[in-house]
Amino acid sequence: AQTVTQSQPEMSVQEAETVTLSCTYDTSESDYYLFWYKQPPSRQMILVIRQEAYKQQNATENRFSVNFQKAAKSFSLKISDSQLGDAAMYFCASMEYGNKLVFGAGTILRVKS
Amino acid sequence: NAGVTQTPKFRVLKTGQSMTLLCAQDMNHEYMYWYRQDPGMGLRLIHYSVGEGTTAKGEVPDGYNVSRLKKQNFLLGLESAAPSQTSVYFCASIKGHRDYGYTFGSGTRLTVV
Repeated sequence: AQTVTQSQPEMSVQEAETVTLSCTYDTSESDYYLFWYKQPPSRQMILVIRQEAYKQQNATENRFSVNFQKAAKSFSLKISDSQLGDAAMYFCASMEYGNKLVFGAGTILRVKS
Repeated sequence: NAGVTQTPKFRVLKTGQSMTLLCAQDMNHEYMYWYRQDPGMGLRLIHYSVGEGTTAKGEVPDGYNVSRLKKQNFLLGLESAAPSQTSVYFCASIKGHRDYGYTFGSGTRLTVV
């Protein structure tokens, strides 16, 4: 079974600065997808960015980018120019066979003004 | 287009009571899922369905039952609620292609006293 590990329970960043959230995963599959979800206090799960394992190029969505290291099974999220609205819980997740998402424990991101 | 709708949004149950959580999607998605979210544990899969009339167990199925009689609806039942089932429950769906991730409902906060 796949496992996803987020080793940072909580992170803080100054507004306009850059922060990186860590994620490692374990899978025996060769074809898989990785995701980062944001959960603000509203509780809604919002897809931030996704990465296809067979693509070498790191995914980017505006201020959000990933550092995908397939051999190391690492999938970190970088948030540039942090904004107050980025404060939330962030979940890393992998999708295995059967389209089942496996989540990490989450990282709370606090943004200081 | 409402997406994924969960009802109710909040509920308080007494130990031993039963209830059903309803998830409805209007996107013609094949796959549907029920997760529970607990502090420090991320989201864990309870049960899922790969199509109308099918259900399967996830990581934490004990104490729950599900039914998918209609493609658009996925019901989660608690026959005899226990305090350990106090949690936030999320429903999600996906058409069948992994690359876009899930569409999530807004969650149900259940407290068992």
